[in-house]
Amino acid sequence: NAGVTQTPKFQVLKTGQSMTLQCAQDMNHNSMYWYRQDPGMGLRLIYYSASEGTTDKGEVPNGYNVSRLNKREFSLRLESAAPSQTSVYFCASSEVPTYGYTFGSGTRLTVV
Amino acid sequence: GQQVMQIPQYQHVQEGEDFTTYCNSSTTLSNIQWYKQRPGGHPVFLIQLVKSGEVKKQKRLTFQFGEAKKNSSLHITATQTTDVGTYFCAGPQTGTASKLTFGTGTRLQVTL
Repeated sequence: NAGVTQTPKFQVLKTGQSMTLQCAQDMNHNSMYWYRQDPGMGLRLIYYSASEGTTDKGEVPNGYNVSRLNKREFSLRLESAAPSQTSVYFCASSEVPTYGYTFGSGTRLTVV
Repeated sequence: GQQVMQIPQYQHVQEGEDFTTYCNSSTTLSNIQWYKQRPGGHPVFLIQLVKSGEVKKQKRLTFQFGEAKKNSSLHITATQTTDVGTYFCAGPQTGTASKLTFGTGTRLQVTL
């Protein structure tokens, strides 16, 4: 079982560039989430999708957009990358909201 | 907004010593979850507690949910080097059943 797959694993962007982080899960989970993790800041929710066809903002949505493409896939887009978006990004999924998240292995993004 | 704090932020123990991390929420939680993140890895779900005063054990790990459902603890007996990592608690955000707020985390270092 692959679980939650994130691509790419590493990325370096220049300020102002755009990119999309991909996330796919094969567990038939209904809910999917995007978090960022910064040193000393824990995990902060960017966007989430409680079920297919719905998305909503988390704590730190500014500068990001998301698409729940289907039940399996939930992508995160940075339209114009900024150095403040340098972080580790984790996608997660759960069968029901707020229970037992399964996390992907993360994308380490550096914006220069 | 809702805050979930953990203490200590960091603890260094000798192998064989016990370890405890404490989690405190500013609001009452319907449930509390615990996750472990190894260095360079992603968070992994350990357990969920739902009932007031609930205690659960997983081998050398003991999890407790407070009577008021605003605090929780994780105790590790006789730590091993495999216990190294950051331990996060998490609870549903107030007013929504759709997303978790993660605690600030406790980083555990174990040396021989």
